[in-house]
Amino acid sequence: EPEVTQTPSHQVTQMGQEVILRCVPISNHLYFYWYRQILGQKVEFLVSFYNNEISEKSEIFDDQFSVERPDGSNFTLKIRSTKLEDSAMYFCASSVQGSNQPQHFGDGTRLSIL
Amino acid sequence: AQSVTQLDSHVSVSEGTPVLLRCNYSSSYSPSLFWYVQHPNKGLQLLLKYTSAATLVKGINGFEAEFKKSETSFHLTKPSAHMSDAAEYFCVVSAQGRAAGNKLTFGGGTRVLVKP
Repeated sequence: EPEVTQTPSHQVTQMGQEVILRCVPISNHLYFYWYRQILGQKVEFLVSFYNNEISEKSEIFDDQFSVERPDGSNFTLKIRSTKLEDSAMYFCASSVQGSNQPQHFGDGTRLSIL
Repeated sequence: AQSVTQLDSHVSVSEGTPVLLRCNYSSSYSPSLFWYVQHPNKGLQLLLKYTSAATLVKGINGFEAEFKKSETSFHLTKPSAHMSDAAEYFCVVSAQGRAAGNKLTFGGGTRVLVKP
């Protein structure tokens, strides 16, 4: 069965540094998403992406965050200047189409900011 | 706006006994509802989905859930728990009827412990 893959599984970064989290969505999916889960808290929506542009973003997704689909397969989340509070598990997801379709999740990247 | 409340943060059952995980939702739109499971150090796996067809939804691994609009509930059940069911379970809502891909709103999760 096709899977969403995320790399790396664990990223350790110094505060203030830039980090890029990578995702390869399922190949025939058209919608892409990032979520995060801070330890002990709910999974939170960050951003959705369709047709090479952001379709929706949350209040969390401020100017330090950006997403990109640099080629036909990868979908990246960049955090420009990391803060301690960015430490979390980041999940990428993809879906064939919109809200009626389930989103398929990767195993996540655990981001630790020191 | 939409929200999800999972009424139990932890549930402990004995192997072979029924499992009930409770979920209530609110949504301004006609909702799609999902249950996902997360095993340790793994991603979120879809168990089942409700998208306005049959109100009783069957999923993988013997799980099922019933959509009750009058109670705004979507409880997850399994007749007989297995050791491999030990995991965290998330009730999730998404609004139908929007043109673009839609964000998921997660409940707080229920951690299931299965005792031998």
